[in-house]
Amino acid sequence: AQSVTQLDSHVSVSEGTPVLLRCNYSSSYSPSLFWYVQHPNKGLQLLLKYTSAATLVKGINGFEAEFKKSETSFHLTKPSAHMSDAAEYFCVVSVSGNTGKLIFGQGTTLQVKP
Amino acid sequence: GAVVSQHPSWVICKSGTSVKIECRSLDFQATTMFWYRQFPKQSLMLMATSNEGSKATYEQGVEKDKFLINHASLTLSTLTVTSAHPEDSSFYICSARTDRGRMNTEAFFGQGTRLTVV
Repeated sequence: AQSVTQLDSHVSVSEGTPVLLRCNYSSSYSPSLFWYVQHPNKGLQLLLKYTSAATLVKGINGFEAEFKKSETSFHLTKPSAHMSDAAEYFCVVSVSGNTGKLIFGQGTTLQVKP
Repeated sequence: GAVVSQHPSWVICKSGTSVKIECRSLDFQATTMFWYRQFPKQSLMLMATSNEGSKATYEQGVEKDKFLINHASLTLSTLTVTSAHPEDSSFYICSARTDRGRMNTEAFFGQGTRLTVV
């Protein structure tokens, strides 16, 4: 069975400093992994996705993530945080069999301080 | 990217009444739609998966008679919360996916519906 674990429920950074949101996954096959962002009372926006191509994935708004099979990790990073980055972030793994079903991590709240 | 529109964005209803939430794919044919529920400060939990023209598949613990899902066309799925109670108050989010072409590796999400039952 597939699962994801987001290692931090809350991350606080200062504006202009790097962001690191950690995610570990468990999968018995080569997974598809995603990072989504959710602003308060809004739907989800896809930041980036890994689907067995390049292990370093670049997304929108300066975010990127690196798929590390040996560490079963897919951490999300950004070199310099902006106030508008404050939101909830979800690491997501797809269920095998190309069903389109997704399993969400518990979420990480990113706080950006001025 | 593809657009999924969810309506209404928020609704307040009285306990015991039913509420219908619509999820539309605006510029692609959604062969599969998913309905999620999200409690405050929690993650999304998949409720059910629906394929166009067939019955929805519900996740364990989700009452299919309470949460009626219809996927009558390739662009529309509806979730009806029947005989709503305050504990049904939540944020409901749909997503849509197509198994055609280059879009089949991604699900596209609606903006969500905030349901409050009073």
